[in-house]
Amino acid sequence: DADVTQTPRNRITKTGKRIMLECSQTKGHDRMYWYRQDPGLGLRLIYYSFDVKDINKGEISDGYSVSRQAQAKFSLSLESAIPNQTALYFCATSDLTVLGTDTQYFGPGTRLTVL
Amino acid sequence: AQSVAQPEDQVNVAEGNPLTVKCTYSVSGNPYLFWYVQYPNRGLQFLLKYITGDNLVKGSYGFEAEFNKSQTSFHLKKPSALVSDSALYFCAVRGENFNKFYFGSGTKLNVKP
Repeated sequence: DADVTQTPRNRITKTGKRIMLECSQTKGHDRMYWYRQDPGLGLRLIYYSFDVKDINKGEISDGYSVSRQAQAKFSLSLESAIPNQTALYFCATSDLTVLGTDTQYFGPGTRLTVL
Repeated sequence: AQSVAQPEDQVNVAEGNPLTVKCTYSVSGNPYLFWYVQYPNRGLQFLLKYITGDNLVKGSYGFEAEFNKSQTSFHLKKPSALVSDSALYFCAVRGENFNKFYFGSGTKLNVKP
């Protein structure tokens, strides 16, 4: 987990506020991801980026935006937070192997509560 | 469509007994399959993966998983469960032609002393 860090670890905010969650990695990976975890739903992909100039929407991108400031940094923003965005948010990184696949490595998570 | 199913929300097993956590998948082409474990207040930790080759894959902490192509399954197993194995387990799949991972809903493993 220390290779992938997330800040803050916990955040409580109010409806309508803009929130930024930050992710940094020291693994040297090109690929970075943002997921949210909700009980009984597993992990759902919000956005992913395969390099600094590449940003892609995941399955639940509405209400979120991202910024890939550098290879090591990938931020997730909630432009106007709403209560159903209360969840546990995970950042992950991966890098392709010679076999053409990759393994994801996760940060410790950010618990976000929107009141 | 790519998907992963973990049919059991919870699995209960006594310490020392064998455990199995089930996973089935649907993916176009050859699958890349993964198991992750999540301890309370922690991120997901990689356990093992199947890419190609031997259908029985060995991973961390004594876990193994068996890939069964005909049944499209990738069940996680351990011969002798420990109380410390109690955690939330996630199966994930990525198709060889797709860049995204798909996760199951998770199975909570409870190992009782």
